[in-house]
Amino acid sequence: GAVVSQHPSWVICKSGTSVKIECRSLDFQATTMFWYRQFPKQSLMLMATSNEGSKATYEQGVEKDKFLINHASLTLSTLTVTSAHPEDSSFYICSAGGLAGAREQYFGPGTRLTVT
Amino acid sequence: QQQVKQSPQSLIVQKGGISIINCAYENTAFDYFPWYQQFPGKGPALLIAIRPDVSEKKEGRFTISFNKSAKQFSLHIMDSQPGDSATYFCAASRARGSTLGRLYFGRGTQLTVWP
Repeated sequence: GAVVSQHPSWVICKSGTSVKIECRSLDFQATTMFWYRQFPKQSLMLMATSNEGSKATYEQGVEKDKFLINHASLTLSTLTVTSAHPEDSSFYICSAGGLAGAREQYFGPGTRLTVT
Repeated sequence: QQQVKQSPQSLIVQKGGISIINCAYENTAFDYFPWYQQFPGKGPALLIAIRPDVSEKKEGRFTISFNKSAKQFSLHIMDSQPGDSATYFCAASRARGSTLGRLYFGRGTQLTVWP
């Protein structure tokens, strides 16, 4: 149980284009989903917190107009990187949890984004 | 400001040995302390977690020791195996009413277990 999927697992796009990453909780309902970036050999950096049916809360320094987050249902959240640039190249990971007051968060397998 | 401090940054252990990773925190409002294991190119996987009302929790070869007064907690991996070679992250969070609180992660420990 507690499986989170991400799609795509990797994507290459040209500079200036937009990319959408999906995060799904497959066997549970998640009231809250989190989006992270991770650079090689570094820890996870929280970008934003997303609660179902509400606007996402972004961490300081994260451009909300560039990283659009939608949490449309209890099993799906999307992250859209708009007008991507090479510096947006990174490993993006989502986590999900929160139903019935449970504290566990389960992570997706990550999406490798490369912007050329 | 790093909310959770983790050490060591890297650890090399012989097969069959005990791996010990330590974490410390400052915020006494934290009340949930999970450990995650991450393999290269994969997302972190929840290993084990503890609440501050217990001093130790064991699941298989993995044990968390928790010292509330010292604001420290540690992960012990008994009988370490080459398959345990991965990056381990400690984390902490606090209750946020009905909303799931964010995790504050340590910087990670790269564990290598030699056969």
